[in-house]
Amino acid sequence: GQQLNQSPQSMFIQEGEDVSMNCTSSSIFNTWLWYKQDPGEGPVLLIALYKAGELTSNGRLTAQFGITRKDSFLNISASIPSDVGIYFCAGQNTGTASKLTFGTGTRLQVTL
Amino acid sequence: GAVVSQHPSWVICKSGTSVKIECRSLDFQATTMFWYRQFPKQSLMLMATSNEGSKATYEQGVEKDKFLINHASLTLSTLTVTSAHPEDSSFYICSAYPQETQYFGPGTRLLVL
Repeated sequence: GQQLNQSPQSMFIQEGEDVSMNCTSSSIFNTWLWYKQDPGEGPVLLIALYKAGELTSNGRLTAQFGITRKDSFLNISASIPSDVGIYFCAGQNTGTASKLTFGTGTRLQVTL
Repeated sequence: GAVVSQHPSWVICKSGTSVKIECRSLDFQATTMFWYRQFPKQSLMLMATSNEGSKATYEQGVEKDKFLINHASLTLSTLTVTSAHPEDSSFYICSAYPQETQYFGPGTRLLVL
């Protein structure tokens, strides 16, 4: 099935640094979602974006829905060790109970 | 957020046996649930859409006779991996919709020997 391209694939950063990652698609989505997955667990929703151009924050996390509807980015400010994990973007089209298309994931590791 | 549970959290079985995995929505009703499979260091791939009271819809390339899905109530969907083989070893995750957003279960790790 289709997957969205995320970059970078992985990153090592120092505690306190800001992190930026993005997600691109060849097709349009009406909703963009960002999830974090810890090892051996299911993904947890971080931010949901419903409108092109929308910029939404959740604590130290900020995400934007690209105006072309084909991309989104996620920023994490002042990273801390518990930010370690895999971050997935997901695109969704209209209607509840609609399927998600997941990105390839960005693995984040934070060093002290 | 909404709570989705899975049982068991991990299972080891012999090749050729069948394994049933449960997905429950604990604090909401879900007419639709989704089943995903995730191989190590890879993303989640949708296997099928589970519909309460009707047949599941399978993604291309997923064998419906091998991965049996039953959504008998508004809070429970089950995935049965029939005649499991080592290549079926994976992390299986379900999700459900309370409103507009999917919430995921904690996953079930299957190891087929």
